[in-house]
Amino acid sequence: QKEVEQDPGPLSVPEGAIVSLNCTYSNSAFQYFMWYRQYSRKGPELLMYTYSSGNKEDGRFTAQVDKSSKYISLFIRDSQPSDSATYLCAMSVGETSYDKVIFGPGTSLSVIP
Amino acid sequence: ETGVTQSPTHLIKTRGQQVTLRCSSQSGHNTVSWYQQALGQGPQFIFQYYREEENGRGNFPPRFSGLQFPNYSSELNVNALELDDSALYLCASSGLRVRSTDTQYFGPGTRLTVL
Repeated sequence: QKEVEQDPGPLSVPEGAIVSLNCTYSNSAFQYFMWYRQYSRKGPELLMYTYSSGNKEDGRFTAQVDKSSKYISLFIRDSQPSDSATYLCAMSVGETSYDKVIFGPGTSLSVIP
Repeated sequence: ETGVTQSPTHLIKTRGQQVTLRCSSQSGHNTVSWYQQALGQGPQFIFQYYREEENGRGNFPPRFSGLQFPNYSSELNVNALELDDSALYLCASSGLRVRSTDTQYFGPGTRLTVL
């Protein structure tokens, strides 16, 4: 079993739809939970970051962490064609969110105009 | 733009050769992490340098080595290249480790092809 699992998709939705992206993990020691967005031929960019459990909202994006179920989610409201990218969940057990980071394989998202 | 740059953009090598990839971090960032991203996969942590010392290593063999310099630049060296080393190599720089809210910023990557 991999430490972090993520449905690779591809996921295709119409513009304006609500998108739900999910990851499961096996290591209960993870403390930092991140979502990165990666456009083609670019490096990942941090979208959302949560320490421990709970929800976090930033504009159209909401991140949820359920440590009891070892499950994290990213919701995108009012999806736009510019949201078309690969979304990577990532987790860290280190002192900071960038120590010994484990990434999921990524979910490819296409938002159709 | 993240302020993190990498060179070269693309590189083609043959099996058995050696390669050096370079990264320039944001000014003031004294932590740099290197990742390998195979096609269709998420990045895999290779190692991290903090103040010019290795500060953690992933599951990669010793032929993957690194250096970090005082001018916020760093290198990833790979010896005895294998076909499976073909991937996008990413570096990410992060701040002063003062706050747990610091995050890392990725460069655009170097695409390495091993023939």
